[in-house]
Amino acid sequence: DAGVIQSPRHEVTEMGQEVTLRCKPISGHDYLFWYRQTMMRGLELLIYFNNNVPIDDSGMPEDRFSAKMPNASFSTLKIQPSEPRDSAVYFCASSLQVSKQFFGPGTRLTVL
Amino acid sequence: AQTVTQSQPEMSVQEAETVTLSCTYDTSESDYYLFWYKQPPSRQMILVIRQEAYKQQNATENRFSVNFQKAAKSFSLKISDSQLGDAAMYFCAYKGGSQGNLIFGKGTKLSVKP
Repeated sequence: DAGVIQSPRHEVTEMGQEVTLRCKPISGHDYLFWYRQTMMRGLELLIYFNNNVPIDDSGMPEDRFSAKMPNASFSTLKIQPSEPRDSAVYFCASSLQVSKQFFGPGTRLTVL
Repeated sequence: AQTVTQSQPEMSVQEAETVTLSCTYDTSESDYYLFWYKQPPSRQMILVIRQEAYKQQNATENRFSVNFQKAAKSFSLKISDSQLGDAAMYFCAYKGGSQGNLIFGKGTKLSVKP
């Protein structure tokens, strides 16, 4: 099993640009999570899906952030327009039912 | 709301020695799970160990074990025979029985001295 796959691994963009982060969960997992990690706030949940349906998006900072899961094997997290304070490491994780979560390698986003 | 507290920002241990990382949590739920994740410099989040709240027996995974004190809401991680590869950030995490997501502590940076 390849584990959770995220792309890109690194992204550098300028303020105001659109950023799209991608995630492929482990095959067969029915939960998918997006987390953000910063020095100031630590690891925090942004949104999670169950069977492709968003369950809790209360952690999404504002309307500039949106996430989709069009099918069981793919999810995107989009930031439009991006701002310097969005700079962070974004993790995608997946799990089978409500058991152990497996994390992807993360995407390090830098917004200049 | 549930919270997770790791009171030790940094810890240090001599190679081959034992170290204990502390974690406390606050919840009103009776059904929940607790986890320890390791994050080495590569940034990868690696699950170290998991404990179900309904289980009285402390979880063990090779050199890693926990001391789960449910009444005290304490969940410490013990690393025995520490190795250089154990050096990393360690995060304690909570998951309620009715929710899917994890709530993380701020982390403890563990250094291992040769």
